[in-house]
Amino acid sequence: QLQLQESGPGLVKPSETLSLNCSVSGGSISSSAYYWGWVRQPPGKGLEWIGSVSYSGTPYYNPSLKSRVTISVDTSKNQFSLRLSSVTAADTAVYYCAREKLQGGNFDYWGQGTLVTVSS
Amino acid sequence: SYELTQPPSVSVSPGQTASITCSGHKLGDKYASWYQQRPGQSPVVVIYQDTKRPSGIPERFSGSNSGFTATLTISGTQAMDEATYFCQAWDNSHVVFGGGTKLTVL
Repeated sequence: QLQLQESGPGLVKPSETLSLNCSVSGGSISSSAYYWGWVRQPPGKGLEWIGSVSYSGTPYYNPSLKSRVTISVDTSKNQFSLRLSSVTAADTAVYYCAREKLQGGNFDYWGQGTLVTVSS
Repeated sequence: SYELTQPPSVSVSPGQTASITCSGHKLGDKYASWYQQRPGQSPVVVIYQDTKRPSGIPERFSGSNSGFTATLTISGTQAMDEATYFCQAWDNSHVVFGGGTKLTVL
């Protein structure tokens, strides 16, 4: 059974960079059939796609966040990462990592999510 | 940018059929997926590629997608189906989510 687990600081100061990792277990991240993505959800609000990356490292970003986002993959560690720069309180959210199927474009496995609060 | 529109809320009586819509420009030309999210939990896909049900999802969940609207239908709705449902599509290398619909079973 594939499992994804987010990790990283739960508190980030305004203007700093948010960094999260997603560790994948129970399967290999090195598959051309999937992308690996990040989705966030501000408290009490809906889901927002941040971006996705292929196993070869090709990223796809939400245009509204593209200038601040970097998503990378480390196949040797079977994990992928998110960096979001210049954060503000509006970036406070639960951040999920998830596997995205290339065929159909849906997310079939999700991590449990991690709350990141932006505050001084 | 591409947008998906859902009604904020839908109510249904137990045992009845609930329908949740998702509208977007020529959505029928794309694949639509649906996710169920209970409070405090991660989303779970209940329908993908318009009509497919993952293993473990009850048969009472079904989907359709044509023209400008995708629809999630829950037949014989149960109290455990009370949750927020999000539609999602893939457009021009970008993932888009609808705003979510809170389904109340009362």
